[in-house]
Amino acid sequence: DAGVTQSPTHLIKTRGQQVTLRCSPKSGHDTVSWYQQALGQGPQFIFQYYEEEERQRGNFPDRFSGHQFPNYSSELNVNALLLGDSALYLCASRKVGSNQPQHFGDGTRLSIL
Amino acid sequence: KNEVEQSPQNLTAQEGEFITINCSYSVGISALHWLQQHPGGGIVSLFMLSSGKKKHGRLIATINIQEKHSSLHITASHPRDSAVYICAAFLGGGADGLTFGKGTHLIIQP
Repeated sequence: DAGVTQSPTHLIKTRGQQVTLRCSPKSGHDTVSWYQQALGQGPQFIFQYYEEEERQRGNFPDRFSGHQFPNYSSELNVNALLLGDSALYLCASRKVGSNQPQHFGDGTRLSIL
Repeated sequence: KNEVEQSPQNLTAQEGEFITINCSYSVGISALHWLQQHPGGGIVSLFMLSSGKKKHGRLIATINIQEKHSSLHITASHPRDSAVYICAAFLGGGADGLTFGKGTHLIIQP
């Protein structure tokens, strides 16, 4: 049983570009959360998707947007990239209504030049 | 001030030592997570607890809801325990977003 999978594993972009990161949740999970982890810091919550809608959002600008598909997979889009967007982007999933913790993917490391 | 505070930030110990990492939080929570992150980024959930104590192998996690404090203990530490340990508060009520501490970087020397 595959856990949470994220793609790509690494990505290099330049300032002003746009990027799309992808996440497939663990089998049986239906909600996906995205986190940004800057170097040396703990992860920061970006947003959560459930039933193809954004349900909760952290303190991130509108440049950060997302989508959830009917198969529960999700995308994170970031527009007008800034140097400060360089980070590890983590995706986590769980089954709504369960008392089980979130399962995390290995992340996508995004570098902005 | 971060809503979730961990201490120490860095910890170096010898193999076999008993390790304690502390976590304090200022918000009302539904549960507290302890997570392990190895170099390269992958995060593994160790425990999710809302009261009392949980044990898994050499790892023990405790939480005191009244004092808003949790501890993670590692008995008979081993170099393979070297990692970043992160505590994260889960508010519940349909809000999945976790509030993370900054992590404790643990190094166990042989």
